[in-house]
Amino acid sequence: NAGVTQTPKFQVLKTGQSMTLQCAQDMNHEYMSWYRQDPGMGLRLIHYSVGAGITDQGEVPNGYNVSRSTTEDFPLRLLSAAPSQTSVYFCASMTIRGDNEQFFGPGTRLTVL
Amino acid sequence: QQQVKQSPQSLIVQKGGISIINCAYENTAFDYFPWYQQFPGKGPALLIAIRPDVSEKKEGRFTISFNKSAKQFSLHIMDSQPGDSATYFCAASVVGGAQKLVFGQGTRLTINP
Repeated sequence: NAGVTQTPKFQVLKTGQSMTLQCAQDMNHEYMSWYRQDPGMGLRLIHYSVGAGITDQGEVPNGYNVSRSTTEDFPLRLLSAAPSQTSVYFCASMTIRGDNEQFFGPGTRLTVL
Repeated sequence: QQQVKQSPQSLIVQKGGISIINCAYENTAFDYFPWYQQFPGKGPALLIAIRPDVSEKKEGRFTISFNKSAKQFSLHIMDSQPGDSATYFCAASVVGGAQKLVFGQGTRLTINP
């Protein structure tokens, strides 16, 4: 099992550009989530999904879109990048059959100039 | 508004000493309290978790102490080792919402040899 994979590992964007952060898991987990990590702020939930076709907003959803067409994939789209979106982004997955453990990917470090 | 407040922001402990990290929460609906460990360049990984029906949980050198009336919980690392040097996050979630964790700000722990 590869677990949770994220691509790219690093990305630099200019203000106003759009891009998609990829996340995939091979554990057949029902739940998937996106967090951003900023110094002194911990991790904050952006969007989450409880299954294919079902998504909902987290604490900081503005400027981001998600979709979940398959169980395995949960891409995060930045519509028009802003410097405030400079952060490290983590994708996580979890099974409803387990003990609530979320498995995190290795992260994507995004810089918006 | 930070629903989970974590302290200290950074901590230096000598090898063999006890590391203590504290968290306080506001939402009385929280019923799951995990601690995550993160090494540089990696995603967070679950270390230990507790539910409010017990006051303490121990796994090896790691112990969570939970005080429901004070709405506080803490992580104790006994016999701290240089390999424990990492960033630690406390978190919380409501019933059925473990995929929507609310994180504390994080503590950077350094164990001096």
